[in-house]
Amino acid sequence: DIVMTQSPLFLPVTPGEPASISCRSSESLLHINGYNYLDWYLQRPGQSPQLLIYMGSNRASGVSDRFSGSGSGTDFTLKISNVEPEDVGVYYCMQALQTVITFGQGTRLDIK
Amino acid sequence: EVQLVESGGGLVQPGGSLKLSCVASGFTFTIYPMSWVRQAPGKGLEWIAAISGVTGMTYYADSVKDRFTISRDNSKNTIYLHLNSLRAEDTAVYFCAREGITVASFDYWGQGSLVTVSS
Repeated sequence: DIVMTQSPLFLPVTPGEPASISCRSSESLLHINGYNYLDWYLQRPGQSPQLLIYMGSNRASGVSDRFSGSGSGTDFTLKISNVEPEDVGVYYCMQALQTVITFGQGTRLDIK
Repeated sequence: EVQLVESGGGLVQPGGSLKLSCVASGFTFTIYPMSWVRQAPGKGLEWIAAISGVTGMTYYADSVKDRFTISRDNSKNTIYLHLNSLRAEDTAVYFCAREGITVASFDYWGQGSLVTVSS
């Protein structure tokens, strides 16, 4: 199975400041079709996860343009341009290249 | 509006069985692959099973293979997860999630159903 490794695991951020989360996979997530099968999800406290970014860099419907995804192959990054209180929660990367889907450990973002 | 509503969770003894249901609405259920993802208390997300839309092909994580069974009834817009030979480590909130047609992403999630395995 593909192992997904996120860093940092804890991320305290001052409102209005940017934030960045890294995700590395043990195998390339680049499909022969040219797309990276890497998603980002946010799970706010007490809620179900929600899709933020799909295929590495595409924002899901209704997601703020403060969120952006980048990267290819085995190294990916989620960036939040100006953190707001509503961004608090746990962020997960997930690979869907293989039929056995795997998630990263999660990164907890808190407001300073 | 797309909705996924899980039910069937509860307290079960080790070695016991349980059946979870996830009723879908607001979209053409038949063509969408569906998955179950679980989250142990205070832990991260773990994908455990998936079922394709039309053909009903199934896929499992090693942690539940041969103990859990995913199925679907397209006439009822429902997927199921049969949990057998339950262990304490199966205690978790179980989410159903819809996988996109053109992208392999979970674009909609249910609210989750808590399964507690304890004597």
